[in-house]
Amino acid sequence: SQTIHQWPATLVQPVGSPLSLECTVEGTSNPNLYWYRQAAGRGLQLLFYSVGIGQISSEVPQNLSASRPQDRQFILSSKKLLLSDSGFYLCAWRHNGETQYFGPGTRLLVL
Amino acid sequence: GQSLEQPSEVTAVEGAIVQINCTYQTSGFYGLSWYQQHDGGAPTFLSYNALDGLEETGRFSSFLSRSDSYGYLLLQELQMKDSASYFCALKEDSSYKLIFGSGTRLLVRP
Repeated sequence: SQTIHQWPATLVQPVGSPLSLECTVEGTSNPNLYWYRQAAGRGLQLLFYSVGIGQISSEVPQNLSASRPQDRQFILSSKKLLLSDSGFYLCAWRHNGETQYFGPGTRLLVL
Repeated sequence: GQSLEQPSEVTAVEGAIVQINCTYQTSGFYGLSWYQQHDGGAPTFLSYNALDGLEETGRFSSFLSRSDSYGYLLLQELQMKDSASYFCALKEDSSYKLIFGSGTRLLVRP
């Protein structure tokens, strides 16, 4: 069966510090991978989308970047965090069909 | 551009039926999905409609009218565990990207 992991689960970082969030998928190959951000009480905003290794589509201009160094690994990064980067970061994967499967998320607080 | 509108909050009684509406505006349409998210948790897939009509999965059904740019999620025999946020999500091209609505918070009361 397929599983998706995200870490860390929670993170408190000072403004201006770097960020690296990791997402890995097990039990499937060549998945589509997604990074979303969710502000408190709001919907999900698609940040990045990847159809394969090294292939990243950026959906919203921002302070963040993404990389896919391996087939089942998706990394979200920032060189200098802003207060507005706070939120709930969700990774998701899709292989066949319309369903996206979400990871447990990382709650990021930038102070 | 594209947009989706959902009511922000709905309250219903345990055992009742509730309908959560979603209207959308888009230049291209492939389908409409519904996801459930409990507080602090990850969204989970409920249903997908690409064609007009009703799709039924247990206590949950989803309806789509492409001519009206409208869909709804119908929850029957409400249970306390159905208290959650429900999101409609638009697929507007073949890329498997989704655009999520802002969500409807459903509160089920005893």
